[in-house]
Amino acid sequence: SQQGEEDPQALSIQEGENATMNCSYKTSINNLQWYRQNSGRGLVHLILIRSNEREKHSGRLRVTLDTSKKSSSLLITASRAADTASYFCAASGSARQLTFGSGTQLTVLP
Amino acid sequence: SQTIHQWPATLVQPVGSPLSLECTVEGTSNPNLYWYRQAAGRGLQLLFYSVGIGQISSEVPQNLSASRPQDRQFILSSKKLLLSDSGFYLCAWSPYMDEQFFGPGTRLTVL
Repeated sequence: SQQGEEDPQALSIQEGENATMNCSYKTSINNLQWYRQNSGRGLVHLILIRSNEREKHSGRLRVTLDTSKKSSSLLITASRAADTASYFCAASGSARQLTFGSGTQLTVLP
Repeated sequence: SQTIHQWPATLVQPVGSPLSLECTVEGTSNPNLYWYRQAAGRGLQLLFYSVGIGQISSEVPQNLSASRPQDRQFILSSKKLLLSDSGFYLCAWSPYMDEQFFGPGTRLTVL
């Protein structure tokens, strides 16, 4: 399977700092997506990067994709306490199904 | 705008009892629909997906089944629950099989 795996599993930073999360996957993809989940809630789509893109920005989010290394990173700049959540990458392949990683738990301390 | 509903929000059921979780989508037509299960502190496991009425694909063998009786309705069922069926169940829809939009989830505890 083209499973996404996030690294680190948990990350704790101070408000205002940047947070970087990494994701690796196994096979070729059409796109890679990042989602956010607050505790006990559904997932919210953050950003999608296609296989022919290398970098994408959305507000304080910056996503990179390296298809040669089968990896992606999510950078959240100037973090806020409200950014505290779990972040998941999801790989979309030829079958257009999403395979999710196990997530990174981000804690932003005020 | 589109919205997705799931109910119930929480459910506690004894082992061996039946299950029915419902998911409905508003504001769109012919969506792709998905059921996921999330174990505590883990990622999502795709259980079923549907590209149209009566069309269900199963990803993993299990004690559960899914049905799509109407275009915007997706139901997850079991005839007899197992302890291992406990978890957080999420329904999602997608217009083009790219980004997915998730419901609020159902927390199922099987005792």
